[in-house]
This record gives sequence, structure tokens and C-alpha cells, in this order.
Amino acid sequence: AQKITQTQPGMFVQEKEAVTLDCTYDTSDQSYGLFWYKQPSSGEMIFLIYQGSYDEQNATEGRYSLNFQKARKSANLVISASQLGDSAMYFCAMREGLSFDDMRFGAGTRLTVKP
Amino acid sequence: EAGVTQSPTHLIKTRGQQATLRCSPISGHTSVYWYQQALGLGLQFLLWYDEGEERNRGNFPPRFSGRQFPNYSSELNVNALELEDSALYLCASPFQEATDTQYFGPGTRLTVL
Repeated sequence: AQKITQTQPGMFVQEKEAVTLDCTYDTSDQSYGLFWYKQPSSGEMIFLIYQGSYDEQNATEGRYSLNFQKARKSANLVISASQLGDSAMYFCAMREGLSFDDMRFGAGTRLTVKP
Repeated sequence: EAGVTQSPTHLIKTRGQQATLRCSPISGHTSVYWYQQALGLGLQFLLWYDEGEERNRGNFPPRFSGRQFPNYSSELNVNALELEDSALYLCASPFQEATDTQYFGPGTRLTVL
């Protein structure tokens, strides 16, 4: 069964505007972690933001924020003030156990920022 | 502090050959995770090494194997290469188990002709 779903294969956004990348997940665990990674064309996976299932506040890291709606099992990434360098693949991931071998990744969303 | 490093950056092999990929985790990190990312797909967990031992492996055939050295660097070996093994192979290391994140290396792009 698909644990992580990213329904947007590709997204376009105008430079300096905000964009939301969708992610829904499926788990019966009470304790889990949600991650977003950025993968530029170079291939390296860059960690952006983390949300724990027990965290009451939405996570924020600079221009990145995670819109965590636990009841709906969604963990959308919001990028504010998009920059050309934000053009990349973005992956949502979930870890159910304590180790990363339980980590599941979505299929990704390709974001293109237009000048 | 150096990040996770991987070598080589690119590797081209032919069917039936063996490939060896290398990874060095962040200094002080003892765990290494290997992932395969086939073209257009998300990451698939391959292998997990910690303290020199294989802790878990994903749903991959025994052709995929590896080891971890005393300095915690790791090697991934793929024997009897098949065309479908062409992918980006990423190595990652968390600071410690139950930490909030893991850090990835730049990857090795393996092409099997």
C-alpha cells in the first residue's frame, strides 16, 4: 500500500510567489516523523524540514513551513517567496519507526520557478 | 565538518559486471543507509549498516550486498549487473537513531549498458 502520496507530478510558480506542495500519508502508528527533502538536478537530497507527529506547532525553517493537518494525514510544504534556485524535485517522506530503514518516500513533485 | 561523501560520482558498467560504490558518513556517525533511486521514482531503502553490522536490508536480491569498515565508511557491491540496476545510489547517515533527520551524500549514478 502506498504510504506517501504526492499528487502533483509537476508544479510551476512565479518567482517571489508562494507555493504549496501536497503530501498525504497513511499510517496507523501514533508516533511518526514527516520530512521534506529537495533534490536538485545534481542528485543530492537536501533536508528541508521535519515535523513530529506529537508536535503541536507547524514546523518552520526560514522560507519553508510545513502545514501539518494530523486528522487529514496531510503534511504540505509551503515555500514562501520562491526563488529560481528553488527549482528542483521535492520529496515528502515518513518514518514510522525509530530507524531510517522504515522511511518511505513519495514519488516527488518537480517544482519549476519562473522568472 | 565534512558531510557525507560518495565515490565515484558516475559509474558505467556493462551487464554481468560488478559495481562497487563507496560512502563515508559524517565524522562520528556510525550508521550508513543505502538507497536506490531509479529514474523518475522515489527512494527505495537498500541496506542499513551500523557499528560494522548489517542491520536490515530492503526488498532487493542478494546481488546487492555491502559492508561497513571499522572507520564506519561503507561499500555497496552490486554483482551480475542488470540493465534495471541503472539508478542513482544515495548514501545517508543520521547523527544517531531517533534523530530528526538524516544527511545524504551526493550520490553515485550507475549506468548499466
